[in-house]
Amino acid sequence: DSGVTQTPKHLITATGQRVTLRCSPRSGDLSVYWYQQSLDQGLQFLIQYYNGEERAKGNILERFSAQQFPDLHSELNLSSLELGDSALYFCASSVEGGPEQYFGPGTRLTVT
Amino acid sequence: GEDVEQSLFLSVREGDSSVINCTYTDSSSTYLYWYKQEPGAGLQLLTYIFSNMDMKQDQRLTVLLNKKDKHLSLRIADTQTGDSAIYFCAEYTKMNRDDKIIFGKGTRLHILP
Repeated sequence: DSGVTQTPKHLITATGQRVTLRCSPRSGDLSVYWYQQSLDQGLQFLIQYYNGEERAKGNILERFSAQQFPDLHSELNLSSLELGDSALYFCASSVEGGPEQYFGPGTRLTVT
Repeated sequence: GEDVEQSLFLSVREGDSSVINCTYTDSSSTYLYWYKQEPGAGLQLLTYIFSNMDMKQDQRLTVLLNKKDKHLSLRIADTQTGDSAIYFCAEYTKMNRDDKIIFGKGTRLHILP
């Protein structure tokens, strides 16, 4: 158990819908990272937050957004969902954006 | 650009050593990682090595880094059935305040009886 929690574990929704994925980092970790894992693209970095502020952006679509709240939990919002958005979405956390990132168990999103 | 390459599959007999190889392109990488992902689970940080090191050993795991060739390997001694998983190589780079980890596509390790 990494100490990073993610909810929900599974999510099934239809195209065009909007969903919110939630992540709680390890106690004391200020940085949260979001990753998407799909069969064709592998594991891709989406976005990083540090202490409430956006720190780095990766291959995140404009339909996706994220935020980190004062209690340091983070939410990833995915809108206008397409079939290709079906993937595992992982959250990871680290102390100060340092090299050791600890991953949550992931949320499996299925878009039908 | 940044890229991490690794072979997709490896089959090893139980009790033998497994060697998973990886190449990366970003010479400014400061850390290189090995993560393990078991079926239906998240990524578990196995080990990482600083870019100024050549080797790191941790129980059955040995990481070798060849900076000149930008080649990283993970050796698992006495491979067990519980080692069956996908192993991801990754590199960490930090520029200004931005830090990110780039992952390879993962090597699926299959253990033969």
